[in-house]
Amino acid sequence: SQQGEEDPQALSIQEGENATMNCSYKTSINNLQWYRQNSGRGLVHLILIRSNEREKHSGRLRVTLDTSKKSSSLLITASRAADTASYFCATAGDYKLSFGAGTTVTVRA
Amino acid sequence: DTGVSQNPRHKITKRGQNVTFRCDPISEHNRLYWYRQTLGQGPEFLTYFQNEAQLEKSRLLSDRFSAERPKGSFSTLEIQRTEQGDSAMYLCAREGQAPGGELFFGEGSRLTVL
Repeated sequence: SQQGEEDPQALSIQEGENATMNCSYKTSINNLQWYRQNSGRGLVHLILIRSNEREKHSGRLRVTLDTSKKSSSLLITASRAADTASYFCATAGDYKLSFGAGTTVTVRA
Repeated sequence: DTGVSQNPRHKITKRGQNVTFRCDPISEHNRLYWYRQTLGQGPEFLTYFQNEAQLEKSRLLSDRFSAERPKGSFSTLEIQRTEQGDSAMYLCAREGQAPGGELFFGEGSRLTVL
C-alpha cells in the first residue's frame, strides 16, 4: 500500500511558469522527501524536510510541510524543459520510505 | 552517479522461467532496499537488508521471490516461476549517511514477462 497521495496526477505548464504539486499522507512521519524520476530511469532525491520543519528551500525548489494536516507541497519555480519528469513524495517512518503514485509534470517549450 | 549499479537493465522472459537481478552498491554495511514499480505507480517496498541480515519483507514478496545479500555487499533478487503480473521495474537503493534519510537509487531492472 502507498502512504502518500500526490495531487494533481498530471500537470502541464509553459516554460518559465511555476509548478506546484501536493502530497497528503496518513500516518506520523520522521521526515518527508521528494524525488524526481525521468522516464525509464531511477529516482533522484531532491529534498528532505524533517517533521519539525515547516519550509525548506533548495535552488528553485520550495517544500512546505504541515504535519497537522498531514500534507506537503513542492513548488518548482521558473520551470525549464529539463524539469519534465514524474515527482514523488515519500514518507519516512522508522526504516523505510513509502511513496505516493506521483505527479507527472510536462514543461512545454 | 548514485553509487548503485543494477544488472541487467532489461530482461524479457517467458512465463514460468526464473530470473535474477543483481544490485551493487558503492558502500557496504549499510541498509539496502528493493522496491518494485509498475507503470504509472510509485515504488512499492519489497524488502531491506541491514548488512547481510534481511530485516523485513513486504507481503508483496510471495514465496516465489527471494533476496539475499551475502557478506553485506551486493544483493540479488530472484523470482522463480515468473508470472505476467511480475512485469515491473525492480529498483535497488542504498541508504545515505543518515539512517532514515535519503535513498540513492539505481537505474532499475525492467522485467517483461511474456
